[in-house]
Amino acid sequence: DTEVTQTPKHLVMGMTNKKSLKCEQHMGHRAMYWYKQKAKKPPELMFVYSYEKLSINESVPSRFSPECPNSSLLNLHLHALQPEDSALYLCASSPLGQGLEAFFGQGTRLTVV
Amino acid sequence: DAKTTQPPSMDCAEGRAANLPCNHSTISGNEYVYWYRQIHSQGPQYIIHGLKNNETNEMASLIITEDRKSSTLILPHATLRDTAVYYCIVRVREYGNKLVFGAGTILRVKS
Repeated sequence: DTEVTQTPKHLVMGMTNKKSLKCEQHMGHRAMYWYKQKAKKPPELMFVYSYEKLSINESVPSRFSPECPNSSLLNLHLHALQPEDSALYLCASSPLGQGLEAFFGQGTRLTVV
Repeated sequence: DAKTTQPPSMDCAEGRAANLPCNHSTISGNEYVYWYRQIHSQGPQYIIHGLKNNETNEMASLIITEDRKSSTLILPHATLRDTAVYYCIVRVREYGNKLVFGAGTILRVKS
């Protein structure tokens, strides 16, 4: 199994809603990442988890709340988002003992209305 | 972190080699060169990385100049499916380190 699985693939939410994005990998990777990508722009790093602990937060607004409940699962909890938060949200993981050779999921396309 | 410079776009004929350049003149001794690509509407895909020696795998070859200030990603026989945005990233190869994408090069492979 060499996949990073993200669910849902598409999500539409209102500005007052609370929703969560889910990312799962069963490759034993211990570094996991969240990225945000706007149309025609490169992915922007949001968070890095290393050994289930948050190691990097790129000054992301608190309406985005990451969680890593175990070594296979990474969540991104969303609350009170704005329309400008609409984007493709990508999850990635990196193998143990290696550097930045990351595997990416296909992303969740989020629309905030 | 070392800055990278890539051309915004390139065209390549199908079946020919695609040579994608990347300048990283401020690279430090412990920084690696990584290449990723992103096909439209998909997640980025790792291609290859290297420190100072040339590297080859089943997808591509990476040629790094002796002074390490620039590199070239070579797709030996480009196909239409290689049309994508290609990102050159220079980073310390440290587990859990930031993986930061620049603007990249849009490669269009044409028949």
